Amino acid sequence: GNSVTQMEGPVTLSEEAFLTINCTYTATGYPSLFWYVQYPGEGLQLLLKATKADDKGSNKGFEATYRKETTSFHLEKGSVQVSDSAVYFCALSGRYNFNKFYFGSGTKLNVKP
Amino acid sequence: EAGVAQSPRYKIIEKRQSVAFWCNPISGHATLYWYQQILGQGPKLLIQFQNNGVVDDSQLPKDRFSAERLKGVDSTLKIQPAKLEDSAVYLCASSLALYTGELFFGEGSRLTVL
Repeated sequence: GNSVTQMEGPVTLSEEAFLTINCTYTATGYPSLFWYVQYPGEGLQLLLKATKADDKGSNKGFEATYRKETTSFHLEKGSVQVSDSAVYFCALSGRYNFNKFYFGSGTKLNVKP
Repeated sequence: EAGVAQSPRYKIIEKRQSVAFWCNPISGHATLYWYQQILGQGPKLLIQFQNNGVVDDSQLPKDRFSAERLKGVDSTLKIQPAKLEDSAVYLCASSLALYTGELFFGEGSRLTVL
């Protein structure tokens, strides 16, 4: 079946530190992979996506590469800011299952000034 | 462009009472989803509509939860009777069609069952 596993949080970093949040997946077929972000009191919003192997998704300084050989989609940012403090969700969706999304449990990021 | 609208934002009820949540998706979006997000967990799909038909309701506890999207636009999710474990945020999302690959979420409706 389909599932997503991401590293547990919270992750606490100082401003300008390097960020990595690990995400691995199990899927049938060739899913699309996503990172969603949830700021306090808000709904989830798409951060970036990749639709096929070796694609790199990027947005707002964040990036993630779709690695089929390791079934991973790790989120990285070279220099985090306090405003990046949020919960990050890794997710997958398969075009052959009517766009059903499977979400990881979320990783909370706290960035200190 | 208006986003996904949900109401109410917050609701507190006692167990065994009923509650209803409303969602209006982005205009033109054919696919609508209801997710349950329990504190500290990722969203879990409850039901997925394509226009006014149900695509997937395999995770919906049908003895107490019901949902409808009668005219293929807005949707209502009802819980009756509520249990303590139903305390969660209920997220509505929409997408343009079944295969477009991006969900747009509302801000959610937070339910507390006492």
